[in-house]
Amino acid sequence: DAMVIQNPRYQVTQFGKPVTLSCSQTLNHNVMYWYQQKSSQAPKLLFHYYDKDFNNEADTPDNFQSRRPNTSFCFLDIRSPGLGDAAMYLCATSRVQLAKNIQYFGAGTRLSVL
Amino acid sequence: GQNIDQPTEMTATEGAIVQINCTYQTSGFNGLFWYQQHAGEAPTFLSYNVLDGLEEKGRFSSFLSRSKGYSYLLLKELQMKDSASYLCAVRDQEYGGATNKLIFGTGTLLAVQP
Repeated sequence: DAMVIQNPRYQVTQFGKPVTLSCSQTLNHNVMYWYQQKSSQAPKLLFHYYDKDFNNEADTPDNFQSRRPNTSFCFLDIRSPGLGDAAMYLCATSRVQLAKNIQYFGAGTRLSVL
Repeated sequence: GQNIDQPTEMTATEGAIVQINCTYQTSGFNGLFWYQQHAGEAPTFLSYNVLDGLEEKGRFSSFLSRSKGYSYLLLKELQMKDSASYLCAVRDQEYGGATNKLIFGTGTLLAVQP
C-alpha cells in the first residue's frame, strides 16, 4: 500500500550526539513536512520541502536541518540534541495539485535524549 | 496572530453522540481539517471543510461556519476505539500559497466509557 514510512519508530540518543531520522513515501507527493510534537501539545511545523525548495519556519532552531535527496526521501538531522528535543517527530506529505491538498502522516519517530 | 481553541478533554459513553468544538482566529482561511490521533501514533485524516455547512462521512460529521470562526466534529454511535485525541487544524491562506501550512490546535482527548 502507498504510504508514508518513518524509521526508526523509536530512537534513543545521547545529549549532543547527532541523530538522523528518515521518512520515505510512495505517494509521489511533491511536498514533505517535518513536525515536532511534544506530549499533549499540537504538532509544530519545523520545515517543509516543496519539490526541491526548502522552506524553514522562522522559529525552527538552527540545530535542526533537513535534506531531501529525491522525491521519495526526506531526512531530519538534529546536530546536537538537547534534552528539550525529546519529542515525537512526524513526517507528512501532500500533493499541491490535489483539490483538498490533504497532509498524510507517517507513524512518527519518538526521540529520547539521555 | 494564529489561535485555535479546543476543549482539552471530553468524556462520553459508548453508543452516544459527542460534539467536539473548535474556534479559530487566523490571518487567512483556506480550509479546516480534523485529524484523529491515537496515543503514540500519527494523526489520521478525518474530514475537510472549506465552505460553510455540514460534511457527513459515516459516523463522523464536521461543520463549519467561516463567519463565526467555528467548527465542530460530531461522532455518532461512539465505540471504544474512538477514544483518541482529535486535532483541529486550519490552513492559513497567508502561509499556504501553493503549499499547505496547517496551524494545529492542541487537540481534544476523548475518553469513551462503557
